[in-house]
Amino acid sequence: EIVLTQSPATLSLSPGERATLSCRASQSVSSYLAWYQQKPGQAPRLLIYDASNRATGIPARFSGGGSGTDFTLTISSLEPEDFAVYYCQQRSNSFTFGPGTKVDIK
Amino acid sequence: QITLKESGPTLVKPTQTLTLTCIFSGFSLSTSGVGVGWIRQPPGKALEWLALVYWNDDKRYSPSLKSRLTITKDTSKNQVVLKMTKMDPVDTATYYCAHSSTVSNYWFDPWGQGTLVTVSS
Repeated sequence: EIVLTQSPATLSLSPGERATLSCRASQSVSSYLAWYQQKPGQAPRLLIYDASNRATGIPARFSGGGSGTDFTLTISSLEPEDFAVYYCQQRSNSFTFGPGTKVDIK
Repeated sequence: QITLKESGPTLVKPTQTLTLTCIFSGFSLSTSGVGVGWIRQPPGKALEWLALVYWNDDKRYSPSLKSRLTITKDTSKNQVVLKMTKMDPVDTATYYCAHSSTVSNYWFDPWGQGTLVTVSS
């Protein structure tokens, strides 16, 4: 099973700051990696697919990068609605999710 | 517009079998490439993928839960059913179903609202 590790567990930032989240896979997943955003009481929402492609309707301040085992999600300038939990997921070999990174207000 | 909605019991007893139904609209499970998956999330914890059924009835299961899971589809009713046997309190979670196809580039999108299942005697 491919294990995904996310860091940091919590990221405390202020609106307008840049957020950089990391996801590392225990073995190569090529570019078969996605990022989801989840707000309290809501279902996850797809943000980034295939490592670097924004899903429909996702603002340009969200960007993804990486391939193989190391991936990043960057939010260029945090908006109030961006404070949430972010999960990475791979579908290279079965499906697994990372443990999540919580982005909260500093 | 693609929508999904989960339904099932809110409370099950330990050792019982859980049966959850996902009713969807906006797509057909008879269309090539389409799939519906189940993912769960214990309170305050991370997401865990459980199972996925494809348009051609190909079924995939989480290796750690495979022996307890059965996923089926009813194309005519636009629904997918997940059964999980031998429920335990650690299975308490919100259970989500989600769409996967070329429309979503084979990722889970969108998701249903989720249904909370509590396992307790």
